[in-house]
Amino acid sequence: GAGVSQSPSNKVTEKGKDVELRCDPISGHTALYWYRQSLGQGLEFLIYFQGNSAPDKSGLPSDRFSAERTGGSVSTLTIQRTQQEDSAVYLCASSLADPNQFFGPGTRLTVL
Amino acid sequence: RKEVEQDPGPFNVPEGATVAFNCTYSNSASQSFFWYRQDCRKEPKLLMSVYSSGNEDGRFTAQLNRASQYISLLIRDSKLSDSATYLCVVNNAGNMLTFGGGTRLMVKP
Repeated sequence: GAGVSQSPSNKVTEKGKDVELRCDPISGHTALYWYRQSLGQGLEFLIYFQGNSAPDKSGLPSDRFSAERTGGSVSTLTIQRTQQEDSAVYLCASSLADPNQFFGPGTRLTVL
Repeated sequence: RKEVEQDPGPFNVPEGATVAFNCTYSNSASQSFFWYRQDCRKEPKLLMSVYSSGNEDGRFTAQLNRASQYISLLIRDSKLSDSATYLCVVNNAGNMLTFGGGTRLMVKP
């Protein structure tokens, strides 16, 4: 069956530009999570959606980061005015009503 | 102090060796525990859940010590394909997971 998909797989952008990352969760999964992982580092939690609402946005590092989820399915993570420290792999995961999360392949973001 | 702590390694072991990784967590109210595996430049994938009574899946054995807030993963008869980063993961509330920084394993021929 189809897993979690993310697009683009790679994104190179210039400092100051906005970027939008997309996540398609597994069909029927109500929970969706965004993480980021810098090179050689662990996963940093960003935001969690249950359905279309985001009960936990505590991990968003600044107000340049925002995310939305529509129709209880696709989610987009938007980073405005990107900075070099935003360079990382952005991972999306989805789950049913249990903690077992299934991850997408990630979007590798490079800010020049 | 990080909520989930792991030795980053790397652990370099020969094929066929037995290797053990440990992990400690700080929240005594943590509810469930997992090991995930992450291959180089790939996404994390669930390896196994960790139960209080200890559990085994083939060559892999996971154990939990709630009193000491300590989780372990034992890999027997290591294979080259076991080379990866092993992430200790804790569930504190709802479906939220907290990931350790990972322990890197390199199995050599």
